[in-house]
Amino acid sequence: QKEVEQNSGPLSVPEGAIASLNCTYSDRVSQSFFWYRQYSGKSPELIMSIYSNGDKEDGRFTAQLNKASQYVSLLIRDSQPSDSATYLCAEGGGGSNYKLTFGKGTLLTVNP
Amino acid sequence: GAVVSQHPSRVICKSGTSVKIECRSLDFQATTMFWYRQFPKQSLMLMATSNEGSKATYEQGVEKDKFLINHASLTLSTLTVTSAHPEDSSFYICSASGGDQETQYFGPGTRLLVL
Repeated sequence: QKEVEQNSGPLSVPEGAIASLNCTYSDRVSQSFFWYRQYSGKSPELIMSIYSNGDKEDGRFTAQLNKASQYVSLLIRDSQPSDSATYLCAEGGGGSNYKLTFGKGTLLTVNP
Repeated sequence: GAVVSQHPSRVICKSGTSVKIECRSLDFQATTMFWYRQFPKQSLMLMATSNEGSKATYEQGVEKDKFLINHASLTLSTLTVTSAHPEDSSFYICSASGGDQETQYFGPGTRLLVL
């Protein structure tokens, strides 16, 4: 049974700071990882996917993957109040069913 | 790109009636669609996976006769909640994956309230 672990938070950072969200996963052979953002009462939206070790940057977001440590993180630079949401980490299932295994999410609050 | 729509966005129905929710991929062909349910302040719960033209695969504990899923085309999947009861009230969200198969794009969700 695949597991994805996230600190539920809440994680509170001041506006303009770097928010660091962390995630660990259980399946050593997993190849694909995703970060989704979910605002209260809304559905998740994809922020980034990452497949290779190292960093992947997209605007203010950087995803980091370390397969040896089974660890994936999301950094949000210059955090804004509009970034306040729950961030979901997901691990790709591979195989033929393409299911994702989601963590329970980390609630981020950015204080003005 | 990668836009998924759901209809209706909100539905209120009486106990015992059936409700159909549509999920459409608007700008890509979705070989696989997923149906999730989310109760307030809880995690996403995968209900079933559907592939175009074949029967859906349901997660353990999800009643396939109660939650009917049809994936008739590469752009449309439907979820029918049959004989709905108040405990079925929840936020139902679909997602779709296409080209690279694993990336899932979510619809905006349907909020169901059963009275």
